[in-house]
Amino acid sequence: AQSVTQLDSHVSVSEGTPVLLRCNYSSSYSPSLFWYVQHPNKGLQLLLKYTSAATLVKGINGFEAEFKKSETSFHLTKPSAHMSDAAEYFCVVSERTGGFKTIFGAGTRLFVKA
Amino acid sequence: SQTIHQWPATLVQPVGSPLSLECTVEGTSNPNLYWYRQAAGRGLQLLFYSVGIGQISSEVPQNLSASRPQDRQFILSSKKLLLSDSGFYLCAWSGPSSNQPQHFGDGTRLSIL
Repeated sequence: AQSVTQLDSHVSVSEGTPVLLRCNYSSSYSPSLFWYVQHPNKGLQLLLKYTSAATLVKGINGFEAEFKKSETSFHLTKPSAHMSDAAEYFCVVSERTGGFKTIFGAGTRLFVKA
Repeated sequence: SQTIHQWPATLVQPVGSPLSLECTVEGTSNPNLYWYRQAAGRGLQLLFYSVGIGQISSEVPQNLSASRPQDRQFILSSKKLLLSDSGFYLCAWSGPSSNQPQHFGDGTRLSIL
């Protein structure tokens, strides 16, 4: 069965320090994995995606994520947080199972302190 | 380039009134289309998805319905709104493959009084 777990509902960092948002997944097939960001009262914006190519994926705004099959993880990182990074982040897994199914994680709220 | 438009941005409706939210996509053909609801502080709940004109799949039983009268138009409707229908409604589109991401509209904030 397919599932996504975002291990932290809230993460707080200081501006200029690294960001780590954790995501674990389970999938019966070779999944595609995505990270999205959502600012208040806005739609979701795609940050990056993994689709069975390079395991280290670089996205927009300095974010990157590493697909680790042995750990079933797809954690999102950024070396240095900026105030504008404060938002909700969603980890998403999608797999083809006859049709296809997409599952969204519950989200992690990132707070950035000055 | 592809764009997705969703309107209205905000809507306040009384209990028992009807609802129609519209979503259109430009710059692509035969997209998969989706309606999600996001309750305050919660994740996304998939309500409906469509892989083609007139083809609607419902994920959650409720008093909402969806229609796809044209290839790039997706409408969310209700005959009688409930208080529990309040939330942030998001429309999205994607290509046909599971490795293609979904692209979201800016959402509609629906408040039921």
